[in-house]
Amino acid sequence: DIVLTQSPVLAVSLGQRATISCRASQSVSISSINLMHWYQQKPGQQPKLLIYRASNLASGIPARFSGSGSGTDFTLTIDPVQADDIAAYYCQQSRESPTFGSGTKLEIK
Amino acid sequence: EVQLVETGGGLVQPGRSLKLSCVASGFTFNNYWMSWTRQAPGKGLEWVASITNSGGSTYYPDSVKGRFTISRDNAQNTLYLQMNSLRSEDTATYYCTRAITTFYYFDYWGQGVMVTVSS
Repeated sequence: DIVLTQSPVLAVSLGQRATISCRASQSVSISSINLMHWYQQKPGQQPKLLIYRASNLASGIPARFSGSGSGTDFTLTIDPVQADDIAAYYCQQSRESPTFGSGTKLEIK
Repeated sequence: EVQLVETGGGLVQPGRSLKLSCVASGFTFNNYWMSWTRQAPGKGLEWVASITNSGGSTYYPDSVKGRFTISRDNAQNTLYLQMNSLRSEDTATYYCTRAITTFYYFDYWGQGVMVTVSS
């Protein structure tokens, strides 16, 4: 299985940039297609798709969210961070059978 | 509007069985693969099962293979998860998800249903 590693917690100030990383145990890219996706889960809610194929914004997601990366290293950026962004963020790969990272909890400083 | 509504959760003893259902609406159900993903209390997400749009093929991780069976009724827009030989480690919230098969991500999630395996 491909293991995805995320830092457990990230604390940022409101209005600043948050950079959430996800590292895969092996490449999740095929040619130019990056098979990494990001989800947001607010407390008590189901996950919601934010970014697919590393850098494509899902429908209805604000432009302050963006994604980048290739191979084994991927980043979700939130700029600027708003109070409503307090949540856990999960990466998921689909290069092989789907696996998720352990999640990064975004906290406000 | 896409909606996925799960039912069938509850408390079950170890070794027993439980069947979850998910009723889908707001999209053409038989055009999409569907999946189940679970989340143990306070933990991360784990993919549990997927089924092709026709129901002809199914996929599972090793953790549930041979114990869980995913199925669907396209006439009733309903997805199922039959869970047998349940273990305490199967305790989780189970989410019904719509899968975008080309790149295998999950674009819609139900609200989830809790399954507790305990004596």
